Amino acid sequence: DGGITQSPKYLFRKEGQNVTLSCEQNLNHDAMYWYRQDPGQGLRLIYYSQIVNDFQKGDIAEGYSVSREKKESFPLTVTSAQKNPTAFYLCASRKGFREDSPLHFGNGTRLTVT
Amino acid sequence: DAKTTQPPSMDCAEGRAANLPCNHSTISGNEYVYWYRQIHSQGPQYIIHGLKNNETNEMASLIITEDRKSSTLILPHATLRDTAVYYCIAQRLGSNTGKLIFGQGTTLQVKP
Repeated sequence: DGGITQSPKYLFRKEGQNVTLSCEQNLNHDAMYWYRQDPGQGLRLIYYSQIVNDFQKGDIAEGYSVSREKKESFPLTVTSAQKNPTAFYLCASRKGFREDSPLHFGNGTRLTVT
Repeated sequence: DAKTTQPPSMDCAEGRAANLPCNHSTISGNEYVYWYRQIHSQGPQYIIHGLKNNETNEMASLIITEDRKSSTLILPHATLRDTAVYYCIAQRLGSNTGKLIFGQGTTLQVKP
């Protein structure tokens, strides 16, 4: 079945460590997104990529980095510069920015930093 | 992209229709209205979308006002499994449209 896989589901790290969250899709989608969700809050856009080897900052990119070396993969690194990294992270993709297509979401990674 | 505004919470009795409103008064002519829902601790799920005309699928109906400044998502016979956060967003086609912004959504509580 086609879909988006985020791994791991739960992740624990010590403060000061960088951590990379995985996002893989086999939907052949061009565009991919990373959102952050805090308890009781909506989704906030971190980074997005409309095509391989290109990505743009969202509203809360500080302390995060991404890469898009392959169409199917869009890993997110939470760096030690991110002041409040504990959150629920969601990856999404859609067919292409020129197409009338919905977002497909993964089931998220819950990151806890202590 | 247009900003959307939704009430923070709503209740609905099981078996009754749930009508969830969304205001998008600054929507432009080439922006679609998309609805998603998020069940606790899962990724959001696409429900339905539309541009100008009313739309219906197996999950829901979408009513868009003639001036396109607001819309209503209708779940015709709500069940307990429809308890979730519902998000309405405006999504534009074309270049430089990757930035899709979600608001706080509406928490729908379906009660027995």
